Parts: sequence; structure tokens; C-alpha cells
Amino acid sequence: QQKVQQSPESLIVPEGAMTSLNCTFSDSASQYFAWYRQHSGKAPKALMSIFSNGEKEEGRFTIHLNKASLHFSLHIRDSQPSDSALYLCAVISGSFNKLTFGAGTRLAVCP
Amino acid sequence: GGIITQTPKFLIGQEGQKLTLKCQQNFNHDTMYWYRQDSGKGLRLIYYSITENDLQKGDLSEGYDASREKKSSFSLTVTSAQKNEMAVFLCASRGQGGEQYFGPGTRLTVL
Repeated sequence: QQKVQQSPESLIVPEGAMTSLNCTFSDSASQYFAWYRQHSGKAPKALMSIFSNGEKEEGRFTIHLNKASLHFSLHIRDSQPSDSALYLCAVISGSFNKLTFGAGTRLAVCP
Repeated sequence: GGIITQTPKFLIGQEGQKLTLKCQQNFNHDTMYWYRQDSGKGLRLIYYSITENDLQKGDLSEGYDASREKKSSFSLTVTSAQKNEMAVFLCASRGQGGEQYFGPGTRLTVL
């Protein structure tokens, strides 16, 4: 059974800093890797996803995947107070219908 | 664009009561999901459905039933509410690329 773990559990960074969030998974046959962001009291919303090894950048956000290390990460450049949220990583392995989520990293960006 | 609606927004029940939560989507997506989120934590899959009248158990299906009578709707029943239970139940549907779209949630409190 797929296990997905996130680190750290929580993080406080100053405005303008680079933030790095980590996610490890257990199934080497996993095929889809995503980050979701959930602001307090709101629904989770997909942020970025990647299918193959390497990096993908969208604005201030970069996702990096290393399948051999069973690890992917999200990097936020120039972190803003509006980035404060719960960040959930998610992985698909086997059936493309089933996404396994990590427990989340709570990020606070202080002005 | 589409939208997912969940009713009710807040649900207060008594211990042992059977409670039903409803979800509607107008994305015309095939696959729908029910997740449970405990305070500030990650998402745990309760049930999912890949088409009308199909039901697949997730990791947390014990104590729940589900129903998918038409493509646009997916219902979840708590078969016997547990005292002091508090959680948010999130409904989602899956797009072509694997991304899941979430509803605003139903917040359950059991007295």
C-alpha cells in the first residue's frame, strides 16, 4: 500500500524567503505527483503536478521530482503572506483513479 | 468551468444517528470521491466511484456507505455517528489529467 509522508509538519518563514517542502512516497511505480494548497476554511486546490523526473516551474513555484529517491518537492520563491496555507502532496500509483495524500505541511509566511 | 456543491454545509447529529451528505458536480467528470479531513490534517479516502452505480472502498470505508445513482451526484452516509466526532467531509471529482477538484466541504459535529 502506498505510503506518502511530508516534511516538515510545519514551517514559519519570513516574507521574501525561499520555502522548500518535501514529500516521499513508497511505490517506485508511482506515475503522477502533485501539490495541493488549502487555505484555512477552504477547499484544497491543485497547485502543480509532474509526471516525469526533473523540474517544472510555474511563476514562483517549482516542483522537482526524483523517482529513484522516491522524493519530490515544492519550492516557493519570494514567499508571500498569501502563501500561508496547508500544503498537501499527492501521488498516484496503480489505478489512475486513486490519489494518496500526505498529512500536510502547514506554512506560515510572516510579513 | 465547473463547480462542486456539497450539502449541507454544517451537519450536527446525535450519537448513533444515520447521517447523509450530498455532493453534485457539473464538470461531467466520471470519477468522484469522498474524503475525510480531521482538523488541520491530510485527506483520507472513504469511497470513490468511477462511473454511475460503481462504488470502490477507500482506506476509511468502515462506518460509511455511499451511493452514485447518477453521474453528477455522489452521496455519503455515516451509518452510526460516533459521539464527539468532528471532521470535514470533502467531495471531489477527477479531471482528465488526474487533477482533482474539491467541493467546499461539509463540517460534521456529533453531540
